Amino acid sequence: GDSVIQMQGQVTLSENDFLFINCTYSTTGYPTLFWYVQYSGEGPQLLLQVTTANNKGSSRGFEATYDKGTTSFHLQKTSVQEIDSAVYYCAMRDYNQGKLIFGQGTKLSIKP
Amino acid sequence: EAAVTQSPRNKVTVTGGNVTLSCRQTNSHNYMYWYRQDTGHGLRLIHYSYGAGNLQIGDVPDGYKATRTTQEDFFLLLELASPSQTSLYFCASSDGQGRGQNTLYFGAGTRLSVL
Repeated sequence: GDSVIQMQGQVTLSENDFLFINCTYSTTGYPTLFWYVQYSGEGPQLLLQVTTANNKGSSRGFEATYDKGTTSFHLQKTSVQEIDSAVYYCAMRDYNQGKLIFGQGTKLSIKP
Repeated sequence: EAAVTQSPRNKVTVTGGNVTLSCRQTNSHNYMYWYRQDTGHGLRLIHYSYGAGNLQIGDVPDGYKATRTTQEDFFLLLELASPSQTSLYFCASSDGQGRGQNTLYFGAGTRLSVL
């Protein structure tokens, strides 16, 4: 069945470090891929999405490229700040389905 | 900005108890969802609906019922609560246009403890 895998449960960085969070997906369909961010005490909110294979999405300094060849959608940011501390979820939605499948989430902690 | 309101924000019950979690959205979205969030599992879909009276089974439906009474209101029912249902529950909605591409708007969550 369809699935989304995030292997990194937790990432700890210092301010201005480079961020890279892995995400791979599995589906036989035509997915739209998302990154959601969840700040402490809040519900998740959309960070970015990409509908078309080999396209890139970006928002607030974050980028992710939909790589159909490697079935990956890794999240990157050149220079993280303390305000980026949150849980990041990779997610997938097949074109023909109404549901969104999430990965396990990656908790990002930034040391000041 | 879509508004999704969940109630209660916190709930404690005992094993075997009857619990109803409520969700209301005010942006005329067609789709509504119930997820549970657990460490190591992320967000898992329990049930969802694409309109009043409709119910679709999600990925972890056992022990849960749901009912969509109106376009705005979606309820999650635990008729015989168990400790394994202790979790943080999120409701979400989306408008269903351009299928496969829609943003989900989440509520703030309901923390449920089953003793």
